[in-house]
Amino acid sequence: ETGVTQSPTHLIKTRGQQVTLRCSSQSGHNTVSWYQQALGQGPQFIFQYYREEENGRGNFPPRFSGLQFPNYSSELNVNALELDDSALYLCASRHPGQGDTGELFFGEGSRLTVL
Amino acid sequence: QQQVKQSPQSLIVQKGGISIINCAYENTAFDYFPWYQQFPGKGPALLIAIRPDVSEKKEGRFTISFNKSAKQFSLHIMDSQPGDSATYFCAAKAAGNKLTFGGGTRVLVKP
Repeated sequence: ETGVTQSPTHLIKTRGQQVTLRCSSQSGHNTVSWYQQALGQGPQFIFQYYREEENGRGNFPPRFSGLQFPNYSSELNVNALELDDSALYLCASRHPGQGDTGELFFGEGSRLTVL
Repeated sequence: QQQVKQSPQSLIVQKGGISIINCAYENTAFDYFPWYQQFPGKGPALLIAIRPDVSEKKEGRFTISFNKSAKQFSLHIMDSQPGDSATYFCAAKAAGNKLTFGGGTRVLVKP
């Protein structure tokens, strides 16, 4: 187990709605990133938070936004949902002592279906 | 723009055989190359990783070969076991720990 917990595990929304996904990481993991994994594809980087501030963003529109809280838990918010937003959303955390290895601890994801 | 290309998309190997997955990248700013393993319903988990100044790294039955001049790297799974059946992703790390993943290879090991 990675110690990264995501909720909800599955949800269904309709186009135009808004969704909030939540992530709780291991104690001391002060960096959290979010990835979108479409069916049959590799994860794509959405953004990363470090000490409650966004410090990196992938090629995603502003309707994808996030928050990191003082306890290092995190939220991903998506507004004005589109059909193409249907995907598995993965949260990943990293401990500052891991060094620069590219090792992230992923949760099991939240499966979003947009109808 | 797909910065990390992975092949094949899927492969079937007999138990005890060798699975080989290849990746190529374009961005020379990548500074670490991890491989992740993902089982159905689970998130990806780090399998093995290599720095670009190392040509080969072996951990148990898993070996990464890295060719910096060709901008290619590969994963070899020796003595493949049914429990190795999963989807494998190569990735490349840029500054700030952002990972760029390949498209994935679904490996099926037949008993």
